[in-house]
Amino acid sequence: DTAVSQTPKYLVTQMGNDKSIKCEQNLGHDTMYWYKQDSKKFLKIMFSYNNKELIINETVPNRFSPKSPDKAHLNLHINSLELGDSAVYFCASSWTISTDTQYFGPGTRLTVL
Amino acid sequence: AQKITQTQPGMFVQEKEAVTLDCTYDTSDPSYGLFWYKQPSSGEMIFLIYQGSYDQQNATEGRYSLNFQKARKSANLVISASQLGDSAMYFCAMRENAGGTSYGKLTFGQGTILTVHP
Repeated sequence: DTAVSQTPKYLVTQMGNDKSIKCEQNLGHDTMYWYKQDSKKFLKIMFSYNNKELIINETVPNRFSPKSPDKAHLNLHINSLELGDSAVYFCASSWTISTDTQYFGPGTRLTVL
Repeated sequence: AQKITQTQPGMFVQEKEAVTLDCTYDTSDPSYGLFWYKQPSSGEMIFLIYQGSYDQQNATEGRYSLNFQKARKSANLVISASQLGDSAMYFCAMRENAGGTSYGKLTFGQGTILTVHP
């Protein structure tokens, strides 16, 4: 009965590959987010979706493409992976886009070799 | 200028004692929210406590309380009766309303590593 889940938890891949990270929330929330935590533990928003509609794209390279098939799922696809993409990626969700607490998934540690 | 500043890279506290983790913020938005999250060594982000800019009273959740000083733009987290399991990284975050255009974006501080000694 995990609230926000992500798969996989760990992802190790070679430079140039394409990979996806999946996120699902069973909280009935309308809004979902992707955050990136770098090696210095700094967290920064990448995208937010509200009812399957992209709301925030925070100057992320267009190699990153989020997709929301329904409001319970927000996947992140990354093309042509680079060394600098190595990070922990967190999915989060909230009831609405403006005023509510965001609940985070367990994170996906991506390592690009 | 940084929007959220946590000036303590690391803090130490004895078990059962109280500890305060500092957070200052910078915004001109009258409507905003302040959050604290805990990240243990296992990596997940755990929501602890929330304070709205219009809330008159300081937020409390169990052993966690938020010392909100609006004029000083500070939102310090106070953990009472520290436990060994409180050892983790703690992040302060702010969500600005920005006239409805922030779209829920959280801006995080650099984090403070708390170590609880037995």
